[in-house]
Amino acid sequence: KAGVTQTPRYLIKTRGQQVTLSCSPISGHRSVSWYQQTPGQGLQFLFEYFSETQRNKGNFPGRFSGRQFSNSGSEMNVSTLELGDSALYLCASKVLAGDDTQYFGPGTRLTVL
Amino acid sequence: DQQVKQNSPSLSVQEGRISILNCDYTNSMFDYFLWYKKYPAEGPTFLISISSIKDKNEDGRFTVFLNKSAKHLSLHIVPSQPGDSAVYFCAARLGGGADGLTFGKGTHLIIQP
Repeated sequence: KAGVTQTPRYLIKTRGQQVTLSCSPISGHRSVSWYQQTPGQGLQFLFEYFSETQRNKGNFPGRFSGRQFSNSGSEMNVSTLELGDSALYLCASKVLAGDDTQYFGPGTRLTVL
Repeated sequence: DQQVKQNSPSLSVQEGRISILNCDYTNSMFDYFLWYKKYPAEGPTFLISISSIKDKNEDGRFTVFLNKSAKHLSLHIVPSQPGDSAVYFCAARLGGGADGLTFGKGTHLIIQP
């Protein structure tokens, strides 16, 4: 079974731009979560989607948003990019929202110049 | 306020010996704990987990111990192998359906030949 895939793998943007990252969960998985990893803060939870609805949201500003499609795929969007948004963005999926174990994709490395 | 702490940024262990990675948490509402392993340029890979109703879980060379009274868990790897060299993240999940994982900042394990 194919794992979680994320596109693109690498992205370079400039301050003020906006960016959209994509995630395809493992087949049959209906819950998708997004995390941001930075050297200073480690891995931090952004939000989780299940059945096209946001279930939980971490402590991030409104510039960070996401959505989930009927095929369980997900996108996250960051508007008005700041230098501090440079990070590895990880997507994780699990079968159901109440499941315990999440499986991560390889991440999208975003660099903001 | 960091709710999940991995106080050792790095750990060096000789091949064949036992590796012990430690993790402390502050929130008594965490009910499920996981360990992930991460290689550079890859997403975290799930290793092993433990529910708060247990004090030990074993899977091959990996054993996780949970001490609820001390709010401490540890991951034991026996015997350590060169391929175990990676960053290990401890993660915790809140009970009550809040599904975002809270991660520690990771411990870089180096297995020396």
